[in-house]
Amino acid sequence: SQKIEQNSEALNIQEGKTATLTCNYTNYSPAYLQWYRQDPGRGPVFLLLIRENEKEKRKERLKVTFDTTLKQSLFHITASQPADSATYLCALGPEDSSYKLIFGSGTRLLVRP
Amino acid sequence: GAVVSQHPSWVICKSGTSVKIECRSLDFQATTMFWYRQFPKQSLMLMATSNEGSKATYEQGVEKDKFLINHASLTLSTLTVTSAHPEDSSFYICSAPPGTGLYEQYFGPGTRLTVT
Repeated sequence: SQKIEQNSEALNIQEGKTATLTCNYTNYSPAYLQWYRQDPGRGPVFLLLIRENEKEKRKERLKVTFDTTLKQSLFHITASQPADSATYLCALGPEDSSYKLIFGSGTRLLVRP
Repeated sequence: GAVVSQHPSWVICKSGTSVKIECRSLDFQATTMFWYRQFPKQSLMLMATSNEGSKATYEQGVEKDKFLINHASLTLSTLTVTSAHPEDSSFYICSAPPGTGLYEQYFGPGTRLTVT
């Protein structure tokens, strides 16, 4: 069965530094990989989508890479701010036309002022 | 961007009663919606796919007779938790893809269900 791994330990960094979060997966060949942000008690918010034939995607201070050989995605936040503190979820899919996503357990990011 | 709302945002009910949660797409039509549940510090677990005009598709291990899903229109899906028990207490979240070739999903704010 498919498996997605995100670092379960919180990432604690200083404001202004670059945060890098990792998403690894097995037994899956997603056409897309997506990243979401979730604040406590709220629904996830879509951030970025990267296709299997794309190596890198950027949006403002966010950058996502996708290595289908390594089955890994890296999510970077440059010039991090305390407001970036949240849980970041990696999601695979869809693999077909069903729109179904498979979510990782998320990594909590804490940005210290 | 696409907006999805949920109602209620939180609900407390007694064991054995049923509770209905609504999920609405406010500015787009959604032929497909998804229902998730999330326990504290855990990820989203997909419960079922709600299809407008047809039966919902449930994930393995999810009781379809306990979690009734109705997708009556292109903007509304409802999840009814029947004969609720304390173990059904959780955070329920719906989502919908905006479609038209876009594969990201827009999530509702979630509903916190507490069964006493």
